[in-house]
Amino acid sequence: QKEVEQDPGPLGVPEGAIVSLNCTYSNSAFQYFMWYRQYSRKGPELLMYTYSSGNKEDGRFTAQVDKSSKYISLFIRDSQPSDSATYLCAMSLMFTSGTYKYIFGTGTRLKVLA
Amino acid sequence: DVKVTQSSRYLVKRTGEKVFLECVQDMDHENMFWYRQDPGLGLRLIYFSYDVKMKEKGDIPEGYSVSREKKERFSLILESASTNQTSMYLCASSLYFVRESRETQYFGPGTRLLVL
Repeated sequence: QKEVEQDPGPLGVPEGAIVSLNCTYSNSAFQYFMWYRQYSRKGPELLMYTYSSGNKEDGRFTAQVDKSSKYISLFIRDSQPSDSATYLCAMSLMFTSGTYKYIFGTGTRLKVLA
Repeated sequence: DVKVTQSSRYLVKRTGEKVFLECVQDMDHENMFWYRQDPGLGLRLIYFSYDVKMKEKGDIPEGYSVSREKKERFSLILESASTNQTSMYLCASSLYFVRESRETQYFGPGTRLLVL
């Protein structure tokens, strides 16, 4: 079983729709949860970052973490064609030695249709 | 703005060739990483470095080596390229992880390597 599972898509939605992207994970020790956006032929860029369970909002984006279910989500409201990209979840934990483990999901490809 | 640059966007090499991929960051970051990204497999960590001349194996180090002689520069070396090393290679850097602050990895644009 992979430590982080993410549906690769592709996911096609009409412009203006609410998009829901999800990841599940198996290691309850993960502490920090990130969402990265990767446009075609570019490197990933950090979109959202959360630490605790609950919701975090930033403009049209909301990141949600449910540690009890080991489930994280990214919601995009009023989706735009410019949101078309691959979205990768990532999570990390820090060991007592000071080093850390950082795991990425495989990414979900999103296409917002005009 | 943090900038991570990679020496080539596209590279074509032959089986058995030695390949050097270079990465430079301009933000005095402690940590640097090399990943490869393949469809269906996502980002997989090859090696990372948390200081000059220090390196740690990631999940898939076989067939690769790295060099970090200067803080800003992290090189990935394919000693003898093979066709299964055809992939997108991404370099990233980050500040030293502090418990109270967030950890962000900044990525370069990637190098698409084709090994024939």
